[in-house]
Amino acid sequence: EVRLLESGGGLVQPGGSLRLSCAASGFAFSGYSMTWVRQAPGKGLEWVSGISGSGIDTYYAESVKGRFTISRDISKTTVYLQMNSLRADDTAVYYCAKGLFFGGYPTPFDYWGQGTLITVSS
Amino acid sequence: QSLLTQPPSVSGAPGQRVTISCTGSSSNIGAGYDVNWYQHLPGTAPKLLIYANSNRPSGVSDRFSGSKSGTSASLAITGLQAEDEADYYCQSYDSSLSGSVFGGGTKVTVL
Repeated sequence: EVRLLESGGGLVQPGGSLRLSCAASGFAFSGYSMTWVRQAPGKGLEWVSGISGSGIDTYYAESVKGRFTISRDISKTTVYLQMNSLRADDTAVYYCAKGLFFGGYPTPFDYWGQGTLITVSS
Repeated sequence: QSLLTQPPSVSGAPGQRVTISCTGSSSNIGAGYDVNWYQHLPGTAPKLLIYANSNRPSGVSDRFSGSKSGTSASLAITGLQAEDEADYYCQSYDSSLSGSVFGGGTKVTVL
């Protein structure tokens, strides 16, 4: 059974940093791309960042480019999202999701975590 | 403002058929990139409904179907049921952004 468990959310001040983790299990982790998607309060889904199965290729939305860094640790089957210079408009529930196709990017997202809430406020 | 445009809401009576449109451009849907559809209930994980324009993952009801033509795609729900009340999002890849994009979402209401 595929499982994705996000952690690391919480309250942070504007300008602060936070690192999200997504612990994955139940599939061949290194073969699939992983993605972070967020949903701000009252808003729709927004793609944030993606990483290839190998971790070599990374992708970012313009809104987070230069501030967020995605990475993965194959030995720990975990994906991370390092978030720096956080702003109020980064407040959202952050979901990690698994790519559907082995080795492919772009790819649909077939399994999602339950999400972790980030609140950026003073 | 999303690069993929969806109607904010659609509604229908139980048993009816509703469709949700997703309009893109030459840098995403029109460039040949696949469209995927997700169902999202507040407080839960989004669920993949349709991938690669018209394919249903295992376990998804055949009341859901997808299609794509030109720079647009659509999701159809037949035999509308109360449990279908949710937000629905289209998603594709955009070459100008070098990243994925979601539509703004459509709230389906069962009357």
